[in-house]
Amino acid sequence: RKEVEQDPGPFNVPEGATVAFNCTYSNSASQSFFWYRQDCRKEPKLLMSVYSSGNEDGRFTAQLNRASQYISLLIRDSKLSDSATYLCVVTRDTDKLIFGTGTRLQVFP
Amino acid sequence: DAGVTQSPTHLIKTRGQQVTLRCSPKSGHDTVSWYQQALGQGPQFIFQYYEEEERQRGNFPDRFSGHQFPNYSSELNVNALLLGDSALYLCASSLVAGSTYNEQFFGPGTRLTVL
Repeated sequence: RKEVEQDPGPFNVPEGATVAFNCTYSNSASQSFFWYRQDCRKEPKLLMSVYSSGNEDGRFTAQLNRASQYISLLIRDSKLSDSATYLCVVTRDTDKLIFGTGTRLQVFP
Repeated sequence: DAGVTQSPTHLIKTRGQQVTLRCSPKSGHDTVSWYQQALGQGPQFIFQYYEEEERQRGNFPDRFSGHQFPNYSSELNVNALLLGDSALYLCASSLVAGSTYNEQFFGPGTRLTVL
């Protein structure tokens, strides 16, 4: 079983839709949590950190549930430019990033 | 401010050969991590270098080795290449921070194809 599990998708949604991605992690010692975005054939880039209190950045909201070992990302009012793969990432040691497989999002006109 | 750079961009090798990939970290960063991303998968941690020493290592065989130079740049070497080594190799740089996570910035990657 992978340490970080994600639904690979693809999620095909129309512009303006709200879409939610979920992720679970198996190691309760995980310390920090992130969502990264990766465009096709490009490098991953940090989208946002995830906290138990939840955090919001414009149209993006991330939430962490430590008891359930569950992380979510909500994208509101989807744009064509949101089309990408969204990677759920956790850390246990200080700097080693542990990635999920990624969830592919395709937003269509 | 230059970001993380990697060379070469693409590389084609045959089974059994050896390859060296290079990475220059973002200005001011002293820590370099290497990741392997196979097609359709998330990146997997290979190892991390700080102060010219391997600080952490993932679940990769000894065929994968690295080096960090005094200017913080780094190399990843892979010996006895296998078909399964075909992947995008990503370098990420950061500032070492003890128990506090510091954001890792990724380079554009080197796409290695093993025939």
